[in-house]
Amino acid sequence: AQSVTQLGSHVSVSEGALVLLRCNYSSSVPPYLFWYVQYPNQGLQLLLKYTSAATLVKGINGFEAEFKKSETSFHLTKPSAHMSDAAEYFCAVSEDNQGGKLIFGQGTELSVKP
Amino acid sequence: GAVVSQHPSRVICKSGTSVKIECRSLDFQATTMFWYRQFPKQSLMLMATSNEGSKATYEQGVEKDKFLINHASLTLSTLTVTSAHPEDSSFYICSARDRQRDRGTQYFGPGTRLTVL
Repeated sequence: AQSVTQLGSHVSVSEGALVLLRCNYSSSVPPYLFWYVQYPNQGLQLLLKYTSAATLVKGINGFEAEFKKSETSFHLTKPSAHMSDAAEYFCAVSEDNQGGKLIFGQGTELSVKP
Repeated sequence: GAVVSQHPSRVICKSGTSVKIECRSLDFQATTMFWYRQFPKQSLMLMATSNEGSKATYEQGVEKDKFLINHASLTLSTLTVTSAHPEDSSFYICSARDRQRDRGTQYFGPGTRLTVL
């Protein structure tokens, strides 16, 4: 069975600082990995996804993530945080590359201090 | 593109009543839609997978008779919470996948906040 672990339920950074949100997965087959962002009282918006192409994936809003098979990780980064980045971030793994059932991590709340 | 809508966005009802939530894919055909439930400060929990024209597949522990799902067309799935009780109060989110345009990705609706008094 696949699973996702997000280290840190809450991360706080200063505006302009590096953002690093951690995600580790377990999977017996090549995984398809996603990062979603959720603003208060809203649905989820896709930031980026890894589907076995390039290991460094660039997404929207300046975010990117690197797939590291040896570390079973898919950490999300952004060089410089903006106030508007404050939100809940979810890492997810899919059973297959057809948009099958998503398994979500627990979520990480990102706060950005001025 | 790939927009998913939900209606209503918020609903308050009395205990014992039934509530229907609609999920629509606005600019693509969704052969599969998913229904999630999210409690405050928690992650999304998959309730069921809805395939157009067939019965939904429910996750373990989800009562199929309480959460009725219908996926009658390629752009519409509905979730009906029957005989709702306060413990059913939650944020319900649907998603849809577009196999033709962007395989492997689910697009999420804005969610429906259900409050049962």
